[in-house]
Order: sequence, then structure tokens, then C-alpha cells
Amino acid sequence: QSVLTQPPSASGTPGQRVTISCSGSSSNIGSNTVNWYQQLPGAAPKLLIYTNDQRPSGVPDRFSGSKSGTSASLAISGLQSEDEADYYCVTWDASLSNLVFGGGTKLTVL
Amino acid sequence: EVHLVESGGDLVQPGGSLRLSCAASKFTFNAYWMDWVRQAPGKGLEWVANIKPDGGEAYYVESVKGRFTISRDNAKSSLYLQMNSLRAEDTAVYYCAGGLLGAAPHWGQGTLVTVSS
Repeated sequence: QSVLTQPPSASGTPGQRVTISCSGSSSNIGSNTVNWYQQLPGAAPKLLIYTNDQRPSGVPDRFSGSKSGTSASLAISGLQSEDEADYYCVTWDASLSNLVFGGGTKLTVL
Repeated sequence: EVHLVESGGDLVQPGGSLRLSCAASKFTFNAYWMDWVRQAPGKGLEWVANIKPDGGEAYYVESVKGRFTISRDNAKSSLYLQMNSLRAEDTAVYYCAGGLLGAAPHWGQGTLVTVSS
């Protein structure tokens, strides 16, 4: 059981907008910033969003992040087939003194 | 380009030990918190441990406390994970990573640890 809760799966058709949620608590998301990673099959994770809503250079502006209270979200607009991957949220949990990942969301582009 | 290269993964029997290494290059190693993250076959990412830039503090996920030890040698730009009393559930690809909560994280390609008799 992950400390951060993500839906196990999400899907959309090309061009659609999809949102992936990440729910936590006051000891993690509520008091720390959130990063989002994309993992393609057989590859190491790649940073998509840092500090809740910042995009590293090279990441398309189709990807956006937000945080409110103890939850965070990743939105992908203009869905493309190459977006099919696993997505993970991550933050620090002060109560556990652990870095915690969400369980991951497998995005399927129909 | 930054390189993090893990080594040391192998097939080991339950109860056995293994030491993973991670060599960093083109990277200000001594400025970063460094982490080990693992991924069991077909499963999600699980953070295992991390260590402060000067090596003075380290944190572990509960399931490995007392069995795993993370360490670093800043002079060699290297990170280590000593794994003792290995269990089947420790089977995973182990990634070396740095700056996971920052704006410029770095990941290795991973090394496979298989615990099986």
C-alpha cells in the first residue's frame, strides 16, 4: 500500500486531456513539494514536473502539474501515442522520514 | 552529460548479501542527496534509502532497516548499498539516483538483483 494514492490506470484518445491524481496527507503532500515522473517501458524514470508545477526544459507544455492541500495532479493535454507510459508522483514524508512514491498510473492512449 | 552507472546486481540466495555500487561522472556528486530506488518485476517504484551530501545522515524504508546500509565516497563520486539478509521480496531492479525532489534529477539505468534459491 503506497502512502500516496494514484489511480492504477487512466486512458484517453489522441488529442484528449487526461488528469492523474495523487492523494496524500498533511505529512507529505500537505507540507512538501511534489515531483512527477514518466517511465517508459524498460527505461529509467524521467522528470516531468518539479516543485508541484514547474516543467524542466525539454518537457512539452502539454504537461502541467498542480497541488492543492494534500493532493496533487498531473494533466496531459493534446494526448499523443508516445505519452503511453507509467506516471509516478513523489514527495517527502516528514512523519516517516522517507521519500514516498505513488503507486503509479498506467496511461493508455486508445 | 551526467552518467550514473550501477553495478553489483546478481543472483543471490535468500539470506545472502550483496553490495551495489554506483559510479557518477560529470556530476557534482558531493552536492546531492543520493538515493537508491527499486522496482520489482511488473511493479511500481519504491524508494529504498538516501544519504546526505556529506554522508552524515541516512534514511531507509522500514522494510530494509537493519538489513541495508547506504554509504558514499565523495572522493570517488560513488554511492553504495550494502544489502544483507536478502529476501525474495528484495528482488528488483535497483536504481541509483540523485536530486529526486529537485529540478535536475539524475538516474542510472539500474542493476538487477534476484534473490532466489
